[in-house]
Amino acid sequence: TQLLEQSPQFLSIQEGENLTVYCNSSSVFSSLQWYRQEPGEGPVLLVTVVTGGEVKKLKRLTFQFGDARKDSSLHITAAQPGDTGLYLCAGAGNTDKLIFGTGTRLQVFP
Amino acid sequence: EAQVTQNPRYLITVTGKKLTVTCSQNMNHEYMSWYRQDPGLGLRQIYYSMNVEVTDKGDVPEGYKVSRKEKRNFPLILESPSPNQTSLYFCASSLGQPYTPTYGYTFGSGTRLTVV
Repeated sequence: TQLLEQSPQFLSIQEGENLTVYCNSSSVFSSLQWYRQEPGEGPVLLVTVVTGGEVKKLKRLTFQFGDARKDSSLHITAAQPGDTGLYLCAGAGNTDKLIFGTGTRLQVFP
Repeated sequence: EAQVTQNPRYLITVTGKKLTVTCSQNMNHEYMSWYRQDPGLGLRQIYYSMNVEVTDKGDVPEGYKVSRKEKRNFPLILESPSPNQTSLYFCASSLGQPYTPTYGYTFGSGTRLTVV
């Protein structure tokens, strides 16, 4: 069974701080998606990374896919209260399904 | 506006009383799916459909039914709800296979179901 573990589980920071969220597995994924879920809403797709070592930027968010395609990270620069939410990674595994991680819940205080 | 619409947003029901959660998408998406989200367990797939009249079980299908008679609609049916089905439910759709890099899911806003 392919699993995606995310860390940390919870993160509470002040506005303006930087942070990194990790998504790890012992399995190889052909691609990996990142979603953000705001309170009371469904997850929204932020980015998909495909190539080992790939880096994608979305304003203050930087996503990286590990060289071996077993892990990924999300770095947020100068976090803002609007970044508050649950961050989910989801990997395309070997069963033609999308496997979701358990999520990192981020709270950014003004 | 392109969206996935779920109804109701909140539902409290009693054990054994059949219920249906509706899901509709206006994006002409082929693939639709139902997930439940529970603390510590993440998103778990209940059922999915790759096209009209084509449905298949996900990871936690027990106690649920679905149908896909029209491309836009994918209702989730609980024939005899039990308290362990208390959860946050999401419907999601994708133009193609959501695990391929070209696509990904568009999710509805969720239905919070409580079974007492």
